[in-house]
Amino acid sequence: SQQGEEDPQALSIQEGENATMNCSYKTSINNLQWYRQNSGRGLVHLILIRSNEREKHSGRLRVTLDTSKKSSSLLITASRAADTASYFCAPIGDSGYSTLTFGKGTMLLVSP
Amino acid sequence: EPEVTQTPSHQVTQMGQEVILRCVPISNHLYFYWYRQILGQKVEFLVSFYNNEISEKSEIFDDQFSVERPDGSNFTLKIRSTKLEDSAMYFCASRPGQGAAGNTIYFGEGSWLTVV
Repeated sequence: SQQGEEDPQALSIQEGENATMNCSYKTSINNLQWYRQNSGRGLVHLILIRSNEREKHSGRLRVTLDTSKKSSSLLITASRAADTASYFCAPIGDSGYSTLTFGKGTMLLVSP
Repeated sequence: EPEVTQTPSHQVTQMGQEVILRCVPISNHLYFYWYRQILGQKVEFLVSFYNNEISEKSEIFDDQFSVERPDGSNFTLKIRSTKLEDSAMYFCASRPGQGAAGNTIYFGEGSWLTVV
C-alpha cells in the first residue's frame, strides 16, 4: 500500500470561499480516494477517481487527477462551517486493491 | 443508508486486562478492517480480513491482537493484555469488494479505548 501526502497541512478560510487541497503520491495507481474526518469521528468516503479519469464532481466537491505528475486535488466550493474537518487522500496501487493508508491530512477550518 | 456499527463507543480498562471491541460491518461486504488513531495522530492500519482469514496486517498488529468473525455479522478485535499505549480510537471498516463501489471503504464511528 502507498500513502498519499496532503498539502497544506492546515488551511483556514471564511465561509463562502473555496478550499483547495492537494495530494501527491509516489507510484502508479488504479484509483485515488478522498476521505473526510470530523474531529473524534470516523472517516467518511467523499469521492473516488479512477486512473483514467481527469476530473470528477460530486455536489460542491471537485477532484482532479494528474497521473503524469502523480498528484490530485480536492476543491470544495462555497465552503461552509460544517466543512471544517481533516481531509485525507488514499491512493490505491495499480497492482490491484491494497489496503488504504492515510497520511497526516489537511486540516480545514472554515470560519463563519 | 447501511452503516458500520461499533460497540462500545467508549471503554476504560485496567492495564493488563483483555478487551474485545465489536463491529457489525455492512451486510454483504466481503472485506473487513481495523484501524486505530492515537489522540492527535494519524489513522493507522492494523489488519484486514477476507474470506475468514487475515489478508494483511501491520507491524502494530502483534501477538497481543487478534481478530475474529465468529458469525455471519460480527467482526471483533481482541487485545489480550492491554498496555497504556493501546489507548486510542479503534475504527472498524468494511468494503464491498465487488460492484461499482467495490473499492470504497466504509468506516464506523469508532470505539474509544482508554487504558489506565
